[in-house]
Amino acid sequence: SYDLTQSPSVSVSPGQTATITCSGHRLGDKYVCWYHQRPGQSPRLVIYEDNKRPSGVPGRFSGSNSGNIATLTISGTQPIDEGDYYCQAWDSGTVFGGGTKLTVL
Amino acid sequence: EVQLAESGGGLVRPGGSLRLSCAASGFTFGDYWMSWVRQAPGKGLQWVSRIRNDGGSTTYADFVKGRFTISRDNTKNTLYLQMHSLRGDDTAVYYCVQGGDLTSWGQGTQVIVSS
Repeated sequence: SYDLTQSPSVSVSPGQTATITCSGHRLGDKYVCWYHQRPGQSPRLVIYEDNKRPSGVPGRFSGSNSGNIATLTISGTQPIDEGDYYCQAWDSGTVFGGGTKLTVL
Repeated sequence: EVQLAESGGGLVRPGGSLRLSCAASGFTFGDYWMSWVRQAPGKGLQWVSRIRNDGGSTTYADFVKGRFTISRDNTKNTLYLQMHSLRGDDTAVYYCVQGGDLTSWGQGTQVIVSS
């Protein structure tokens, strides 16, 4: 089975840049999506097809994907960006990374 | 506005069955692939199954193959998940999700498998 690996946690100060990574074998050959989940809420798509933002997602969210690593970057991180972030790709089924908890402090 | 309303969750004994439903509105249901994704308490997201927009193709995670069946009724704008032989590790919130890119998510329905 295909695995996606994320660091368990990332901390950043308000206004700084948060970088969340997702690794998988030849991940750059696949499209990656990113989801944000606040406590007690449903996940929300923030990046699709590696680097596209759905309508309504702030421009401070961006994504990239190359080689074995996909990256979600949040520029000018705000407290509302706290929560869990999951990467996702397709490989004989939808696969999620284990999630990264973003703390803004 | 896309709305996805799951129902049918609850407490069930190991080995039991449940059928989840998801009522969709705010978009042309028959144009979209649909999926079920679950989240066990305190855990991450786990994809369960997906179905093509016309219902002609379905895919399942290995851990539910032979136990769960996804289906849809495009005349009723409703997605289903029939679950049999439920186990304790099936305990989770089950989300109904629109699209191949999992664009929009419902609020989820809780399934608890316990004796």
